[in-house]
Amino acid sequence: GAVVSQHPSRVICKSGTSVKIECRSLDFQATTMFWYRQFPKQSLMLMATSNEGSKATYEQGVEKDKFLINHASLTLSTLTVTSAHPEDSSFYICSARGGEAQPQHFGDGTRLSIL
Amino acid sequence: KDQVFQPSTVASSEGAVVEIFCNHSVSNAYNFFWYLHFPGCAPRLLVKGSKPSQQGRYNMTYERFSSSLLILQVREADAAVYYCAVCASGGSYIPTFGRGTSLIVHP
Repeated sequence: GAVVSQHPSRVICKSGTSVKIECRSLDFQATTMFWYRQFPKQSLMLMATSNEGSKATYEQGVEKDKFLINHASLTLSTLTVTSAHPEDSSFYICSARGGEAQPQHFGDGTRLSIL
Repeated sequence: KDQVFQPSTVASSEGAVVEIFCNHSVSNAYNFFWYLHFPGCAPRLLVKGSKPSQQGRYNMTYERFSSSLLILQVREADAAVYYCAVCASGGSYIPTFGRGTSLIVHP
């Protein structure tokens, strides 16, 4: 149980393109979803936390206009990297949990490469 | 600022018991979570709780400000990054992750 699906797994696109990444909880309702970024050989860095039906809370240093997060339902959150540039190339991972005391369950991540 | 600390690297020989230590400065912490992460894949929850617990080859110790993950009979295939996370009661229950520990297993 507790499966999180993240799509796409890999994206390669030109600079200036906007990229949307989807995160779905397949067998539970995710009241909270988290978005992380991981640069090579570095730790998971929390970007933002989103609760269904409300605006996302962004970590310090993460531009909310650059990384648009939508959590419109209890099973789906999306991260849109707007006007992506090469420095946005990274591994993006989402996670979801069904309640405050519940563990997070992670998606397989999205490898984003901006040329 | 709430922080979680864990060593960047731990090395072991195959067949041994490996301990990865984690301590924190998180206010009102009540739960530890230990995740296994192979690069490019989803981090996987190994063990969690607010008391000592075991799941297969994975044991978790618990103290108020620290926890250790013990991996029994470690194998080369266990070489990965292990994350410790701490959740606090009150507020939004956002877990705080450590920076991860890379486990190196020598044959």
